[in-house]
Amino acid sequence: GAVVSQHPSRVICKSGTSVKIECRSLDFQATTMFWYRQFPKQSLMLMATSNEGSKATYEQGVEKDKFLINHASLTLSTLTVTSAHPEDSSFYICSARRTGHGAFFGQGTRLTVV
Amino acid sequence: AQSVTQLGSHVSVSEGALVLLRCNYSSSVPPYLFWYVQYPNQGLQLLLKYTSAATLVKGINGFEAEFKKSETSFHLTKPSAHMRDAAEYFCAVSLSGGSNYKLTFGKGTLLTVNP
Repeated sequence: GAVVSQHPSRVICKSGTSVKIECRSLDFQATTMFWYRQFPKQSLMLMATSNEGSKATYEQGVEKDKFLINHASLTLSTLTVTSAHPEDSSFYICSARRTGHGAFFGQGTRLTVV
Repeated sequence: AQSVTQLGSHVSVSEGALVLLRCNYSSSVPPYLFWYVQYPNQGLQLLLKYTSAATLVKGINGFEAEFKKSETSFHLTKPSAHMRDAAEYFCAVSLSGGSNYKLTFGKGTLLTVNP
């Protein structure tokens, strides 16, 4: 199978701090990963496309300086929420592209900023 | 712009009863549609996908969905619910052709199955 692991599954942080979320493809290499978020009672929306070795591509309305994406290896992409505020509290989920097989999702991270 | 709307944030059925989860789409081009399931503490798992080959799509775990262009719908059904079907279900439309690389999801429907 194709397994994507996301860590942590839940995190609570104080307002003003930064938090990093990891997305790993455990049994395949992924040159491309995708980050989504879901605000309460809203749809799960694509935030950005993470490309190994190059800059991420952000969807319209997503602040790239606030949501830093790093895809330094073929199995790991990280999303860092910088200077987090309560309105950043959301469910974040990643997916990893496996060539010829589609994209596979992690289990998601529930971020609460207090 | 492409979008999906899931009607009903929570559906409750009895074990053995029909499961019907509703999804309507909006798309200016022929859509590629997906249903995903998420069990607690697990990632989204692909149930089935519509890529224009056939309007009735069969997926895993006994689920199927029918694409109805006239109704812009892609409802998910299962004839007989099992306790293990309790999960959250997401309908999605592709933003990248027939692949599932970039998706727009609905808000999700939580399915509970009562014994």
